[in-house]
Amino acid sequence: SQTIHQWPATLVQPVGSPLSLECTVEGTSNPNLYWYRQAAGRGLQLLFYSVGIGQISSEVPQNLSASRPQDRQFILSSKKLLLSDSGFYLCAWRPRGNYGYTFGSGTRLTVV
Amino acid sequence: DQQVKQNSPSLSVQEGRISILNCDYTNSMFDYFLWYKKYPAEGPTFLISISSIKDKNEDGRFTVFLNKSAKHLSLHIVPSQPGDSAVYFCAASDTSGTYKYIFGTGTRLKVLA
Repeated sequence: SQTIHQWPATLVQPVGSPLSLECTVEGTSNPNLYWYRQAAGRGLQLLFYSVGIGQISSEVPQNLSASRPQDRQFILSSKKLLLSDSGFYLCAWRPRGNYGYTFGSGTRLTVV
Repeated sequence: DQQVKQNSPSLSVQEGRISILNCDYTNSMFDYFLWYKKYPAEGPTFLISISSIKDKNEDGRFTVFLNKSAKHLSLHIVPSQPGDSAVYFCAASDTSGTYKYIFGTGTRLKVLA
C-alpha cells in the first residue's frame, strides 16, 4: 500500500538554528512531491514542489530550501531559522494519473 | 493575491441540519477542485473532488457544487454530524501543468449536538 511518512511531529528550535524536515513516500514511484505550510490563522501555502529527483520549484522566496535526493524522499531545510518560520509544515504527494494529494501528518515547528 | 477564497472563517450548525461551506476562485484556468477536512495537529484528509466538466459530485453525505460562470463552489454536508467538526479547505488547480493546488484559508465548522 502507499503511505507517506513525515517527521518529526513536533520541533522547537531557537532562532538562527538549522532545520531539516524529512518526508518519504512508500509503495509508489516517481510521485510529485509538495511542501506546504500552514501559519497561524492562515491557509495552506505551497512552498516547494518536485516532479523528479533533483528537480525543485520554489513558490515563495523565503528562508527555506528543499531537496529531493531520492525518488521518494523530500527534504525541507533552512540554514538559519527565523521566528516567522514557525508553523505547521505538511508534505504531500500526488500519484501519476491521480488528481488529488495525500498529505503527511505534519510537523509543528516553533521557533523561539 | 488570494486566488482561492473562503470568506467565512467559521460556521456553526445544529446536528442533523445541512452545512454549506463556500469557496470562490479568481483564476479561470482552474479546472479541478478538491475539498479537504483537517483536524488540529493532523494532515488534511481528502473529502471530495470535482472537475470543471461537471457541476455536481456526490459522495454519501457530501456533495460539491461548481458554478463556473460565478467561479464559485460549495460543499454541502447533509446531515451534519458532530464528527464533522473540523476545518475545511477548498483547493483549485490548473491540471494542464504540475498540479499545484492553491488552497483557501479554511472554514472552521462546528456541529452542535
